[in-house]
Amino acid sequence: DTGVSQDPRHKITKRGQNVTFRCDPISEHNRLYWYRQTLGQGPEFLTYFQNEAQLEKSRLLSDRFSAERPKGSFSTLEIQRTEQGDSAMYLCASSSYAEGELFFGEGSRLTVL
Amino acid sequence: SQKIEQNSEALNIQEGKTATLTCNYTNYSPAYLQWYRQDPGRGPVFLLLIRENEKEKRKERLKVTFDTTLKQSLFHITASQPADSATYLCALDEGNTGFQKLVFGTGTRLLVSP
Repeated sequence: DTGVSQDPRHKITKRGQNVTFRCDPISEHNRLYWYRQTLGQGPEFLTYFQNEAQLEKSRLLSDRFSAERPKGSFSTLEIQRTEQGDSAMYLCASSSYAEGELFFGEGSRLTVL
Repeated sequence: SQKIEQNSEALNIQEGKTATLTCNYTNYSPAYLQWYRQDPGRGPVFLLLIRENEKEKRKERLKVTFDTTLKQSLFHITASQPADSATYLCALDEGNTGFQKLVFGTGTRLLVSP
């Protein structure tokens, strides 16, 4: 399968713990996006990478959130000191063009108890 | 304020009928608009993109219209099938960011009964 893969698919953690999600984009895609989706809502933009450079971060991304894309390949999204409000589906997407289709992964569902 | 609105109530139709979903937006001037399909617990899957200078676009049983005067896009599925049951999201580019920053509507859930 050469699509976008995300790991883990599900994560249950206690409040205050740190969690890290990984995204492996389609290999030839240099653009990578993270979105967050809560129940009954559409995905909300979190951050964007072009190659290894993080070019934009949403105001939704508090200081507890950090994302990286070393070497412009896979990306990680870390949430420190998780809160119950962080419970959501974290979606990664990639693309190779400035506009057009985003290829989404299956998402990482986070539940904070 | 900027808003994208889709019917929050589920749309129930019978197999074989045409489903029509609506996406309205305010305070955006998108150069294009996209539609995605999302199944429960899965990531969105791209369906169609329509540009501001295109009135209509078709792909198999799907048809999308885009009216920049009304600030509205309509998404049609003809000869609907139970397998078409899913949530359909519209999305547009926020613009002026230098990259594609999609803003999504809340989605409309479509239920096609046999």
